[in-house]
Amino acid sequence: NAGVTQTPKFRILKIGQSMTLQCTQDMNHNYMYWYRQDPGMGLKLIYYSVGAGITDKGEVPNGYNVSRSTTEDFPLRLELAAPSQTSVYFCASTKNEKLFFGSGTQLSVL
Amino acid sequence: AQSVTQLDSQVPVFEEAPVELRCNYSSSVSVYLFWYVQYPNQGLQLLLKYLSGSTLVESINGFEAEFNKSQTSFHLRKPSVHISDTAEYFCAVSEGGATNKLIFGTGTLLAVQP
Repeated sequence: NAGVTQTPKFRILKIGQSMTLQCTQDMNHNYMYWYRQDPGMGLKLIYYSVGAGITDKGEVPNGYNVSRSTTEDFPLRLELAAPSQTSVYFCASTKNEKLFFGSGTQLSVL
Repeated sequence: AQSVTQLDSQVPVFEEAPVELRCNYSSSVSVYLFWYVQYPNQGLQLLLKYLSGSTLVESINGFEAEFNKSQTSFHLRKPSVHISDTAEYFCAVSEGGATNKLIFGTGTLLAVQP
């Protein structure tokens, strides 16, 4: 099993550009999450999904969108990138109250 | 609303010394509690968790944490640290067993010095 796979690992965007962070898991987990990690701020939940076709907002959803058309995939969309979205993004899935994290995407918006 | 407080942003300690990383939470309902560890340039990994039962939980690498309901705390301890324990440690809480809303603390950097 590859676990949770995120792409890309690094990305630089210009203000106003859009992009999609990809996340896929091969563990057949129903629950999936997107977090952002900022220095000194810990991890903040952006969106989560409890299964295909079901998504919900977390703590900091503004500026982001998600979809969950399949159990495996949970992409995160930034429509109009802003400098405040410079962060490290982690995708995760859950089984038995244990989160499995991807290796992260480092995004800079300049 | 639930929240997690990790008061110490950094904890420097010498190798083989004991360490305690503090975590306090606020919640009006029953909670699940977790400690995650993040090594440089990696995602987080589960270190240990409290779901129910014994209030003292242990990890495979010598860490332990005790759930104290009266003090709403879940401090992480290790009697003797190693250089390889250098990492950032995050405490997290979920209310009522709902892992879909896991709330993390701001993290504590454990810096082990020789």
